[in-house]
Amino acid sequence: SQQGEEDPQALSIQEGENATMNCSYKTSINNLQWYRQNSGRGLVHLILIRSNEREKHSGRLRVTLDTSKKSSSLLITASRAADTASYFCATDADSARQLTFGSGTQLTVLP
Amino acid sequence: GAGVSQTPSNKVTEKGKYVELRCDPISGHTALYWYRQSLGQGPEFLIYFQGTGAADDSGLPNDRFFAVRPEGSVSTLKIQRTERGDSAVYLCASSPTDRENQPQHFGDGTRLSIL
Repeated sequence: SQQGEEDPQALSIQEGENATMNCSYKTSINNLQWYRQNSGRGLVHLILIRSNEREKHSGRLRVTLDTSKKSSSLLITASRAADTASYFCATDADSARQLTFGSGTQLTVLP
Repeated sequence: GAGVSQTPSNKVTEKGKYVELRCDPISGHTALYWYRQSLGQGPEFLIYFQGTGAADDSGLPNDRFFAVRPEGSVSTLKIQRTERGDSAVYLCASSPTDRENQPQHFGDGTRLSIL
């Protein structure tokens, strides 16, 4: 079963704009991870934020985590056409090593 | 560099047939995971191995599904008496260990179509 939801389900923006995607989850977690998936390909790990962290940066990516609200956001700044992909959040729960994924956000960046 | 390799990339077979899907993890990774992804959804967990043993098989939908990893590297997911509802992309991932806070490295998946 899916752990939670991403919103929006789909997002279309112009190149150069920022893209924000949100994720909610249901159980307590060790960490939350964001992955990217291009059509027909596997998932690529983007960033991991631990449950005791509130914010993390990696290049043009900024992730926040609010464990009291069981939610996270992924911000991609200065988007590029090559950022077009599906983005998934995934949680690594206290008692398990496998990841539980949300349903994803389909991001389209228009040149 | 060598990532996670899955073969075949596509498999089309008839309902009722037996299929095997293969995963070659990154060399040295002891943890190996199988997921299934339906169109428009995120991956769903099936089973994971730490070394040769299945550490958690709670995601396998029924006893038609089975997976092995006899030497702690390559893994095979086996599906008996396939049904149309088994059609999906089967993804394999590996990580250096199964300790906390490790990202997983995914292969490109096997797209299974049951006619």
